[in-house]
Amino acid sequence: GAGVSQSPRYKVAKRGQDVALRCDPISGHVSLFWYQQALGQGPEFLTYFQNEAQLDKSGLPSDRFFAERPEGSVSTLKIQRTQQEDSAVYLCASSTRQGPYAGELFFGEGSRLTVL
Amino acid sequence: QQQVKQSPQSLIVQKGGISIINCAYENTAFDYFPWYQQFPGKGPALLIAIRPDVSEKKEGRFTISFNKSAKQFSLHIMDSQPGDSATYFCAAKKRWGNTPLVFGKGTRLSVIA
Repeated sequence: GAGVSQSPRYKVAKRGQDVALRCDPISGHVSLFWYQQALGQGPEFLTYFQNEAQLDKSGLPSDRFFAERPEGSVSTLKIQRTQQEDSAVYLCASSTRQGPYAGELFFGEGSRLTVL
Repeated sequence: QQQVKQSPQSLIVQKGGISIINCAYENTAFDYFPWYQQFPGKGPALLIAIRPDVSEKKEGRFTISFNKSAKQFSLHIMDSQPGDSATYFCAAKKRWGNTPLVFGKGTRLSVIA
């Protein structure tokens, strides 16, 4: 597609449930990032993939968070045993490594997770 | 430790006025400074970016001013319009490589007629 696609757009989970959030990046973009955006805050880095390799997962807040990108395209962010503090918008972004501005990220519209 | 500090948290500007948003950073390894614009229910989108070898960059009504010695940069929106009403985030990263982009907390801009 033309842009980064995320699904579901909205997810309500009961505390303790597992959730899976999907990201379909722009075709050909080798770099993929996950960010967490709490209400009224800026995006906070979670993890980064270059193709299928997860090169940085320093931002994942706990071992309940897991991300994968097995074929170097679609990525899934999984949160196990969800807690209320996990409620946020989860943003996926992709970028191309061509050119000097590797920092130009193209964001999806996000998946809003609400944990009750 | 917040790596990029942004102010103000919110801003109300009259239509036609100038909107100014400020950011400061600590990490001298940062050398790429973008601004992102986010509308409600949407993801952030790149607005304008600057490298530290220039002190100013202008694109249409949007200008970034950069002060390397003070480790500060700002976004100026000239002739602000109601359609500019959005949340603006400054960000910073090392220019090369895929180190994470770090964001400020955002400024909610409202342009009123």
